[in-house]
Amino acid sequence: AQTVTQSQPEMSVQEAETVTLSCTYDTSENNYYLFWYKQPPSRQMILVIRQEAYKQQNATENRFSVNFQKAAKSFSLKISDSQLGDTAMYFCAFMKQEGGADGLTFGKGTHLIIQP
Amino acid sequence: SAVISQKPSRDICQRGTSLTIQCQVDSQVTMMFWYRQQPGQSLTLIATANQGSEATYESGFVIDKFPISRPNLTFSTLTVSNMSPEDSSIYLCSARDRALRGGYNEQFFGPGTRLTVL
Repeated sequence: AQTVTQSQPEMSVQEAETVTLSCTYDTSENNYYLFWYKQPPSRQMILVIRQEAYKQQNATENRFSVNFQKAAKSFSLKISDSQLGDTAMYFCAFMKQEGGADGLTFGKGTHLIIQP
Repeated sequence: SAVISQKPSRDICQRGTSLTIQCQVDSQVTMMFWYRQQPGQSLTLIATANQGSEATYESGFVIDKFPISRPNLTFSTLTVSNMSPEDSSIYLCSARDRALRGGYNEQFFGPGTRLTVL
């Protein structure tokens, strides 16, 4: 079974600052996917960024980037130029290789607060 | 991408009763999932519901308590049976399909149903 650990229950930064959310995971799988989801107060889960384990290059989506360290089983999310709208719960999630019938395994989440 | 809607968005129910939550996807999907998010907690997978087969339940969840239907490729229901206050949670529907943006690598979520059991 897989486990996902987010060790930061809450973080708070000033608007425009850069913030990094940490995530570690444990798995015996070699092929898998990692995700960061954002859940604002509206409860809607929004995919922020995705990383395929077989890719060495770190994924980037505009202000969001990841630092994927496969050997260390670490998958941190960096948010640059943070904005008030980034305030939300952020969940790190793991999924086995494409096509599998498994759902996602989530970490406990980090509550990110962007201060004006 | 897929747009997923859920009904009801929230409900307050009495102990011992049952509630059926509906999940509608705007496109055909092979895989649908039901998650539970207890207050202040993360999401936990309840079961996987694929059309044409019985739902597959995760450890700790049983069909008698959480019966699931999947009558077609765009719809699923989750029933929370014989409810107790411990069932108070947000229940989220999710879907994944090869034909959607991201293929099997991306999972889309509904807005959730907030259930309170008194």
